[in-house]
Amino acid sequence: TQLLEQSPQFLSIQEGENLTVYCNSSSVFSSLQWYRQEPGEGPVLLVTVVTGGEVKKLKRLTFQFGDARKDSSLHITAAQPGDTGLYLCAGASPGNTGKLIFGQGTTLQVKP
Amino acid sequence: DTAVSQTPKYLVTQMGNDKSIKCEQNLGHDTMYWYKQDSKKFLKIMFSYNNKELIINETVPNRFSPKSPDKAHLNLHINSLELGDSAVYFCASSQGLAGDTGELFFGEGSRLTVL
Repeated sequence: TQLLEQSPQFLSIQEGENLTVYCNSSSVFSSLQWYRQEPGEGPVLLVTVVTGGEVKKLKRLTFQFGDARKDSSLHITAAQPGDTGLYLCAGASPGNTGKLIFGQGTTLQVKP
Repeated sequence: DTAVSQTPKYLVTQMGNDKSIKCEQNLGHDTMYWYKQDSKKFLKIMFSYNNKELIINETVPNRFSPKSPDKAHLNLHINSLELGDSAVYFCASSQGLAGDTGELFFGEGSRLTVL
């Protein structure tokens, strides 16, 4: 069974601080996606990484896919209260069948 | 216009009852999904339909039965509800299969509470 482990599960920081969320597995994924979910809403896609070692930037967010395509990280620079939410990583198995394996999520709270 | 809409948003019912959740997407996507999010926010796929054909059927009790009358609709019927069915159920859609270039578009969720 493929599993994705996210850490930390909870993070409470002050505005302006930097943080990194990790998503790890012993399995290889053909791609990895990061979603953000706000209370009462469904998750919204932030980024998809496909190539091992790939780095993508979205404003203050930097996403990296591990060289072996088994892990990923999300780094936020100078966090803002608007970054508060649940961050979910999701991996697609090789021979993609459309099934995404989700991590258990990281709840981020950024205090003003 | 809401891209993926599901109804009802809240559902409170007694154990043993049967209930349905409806989902519609106006994005023209060919693949639709049902996900279950538990109290710890863990999101797990239940079913997926591609062009009305069932392509993913995870280990879900057969009390859960999805139905896709057309590409734009995917409904979920649950028989004999149990306490453990309490969760938020998300409908989602994608053009092609999720992952790689396929992005999941989620509805707002339907919170089911079984008493």
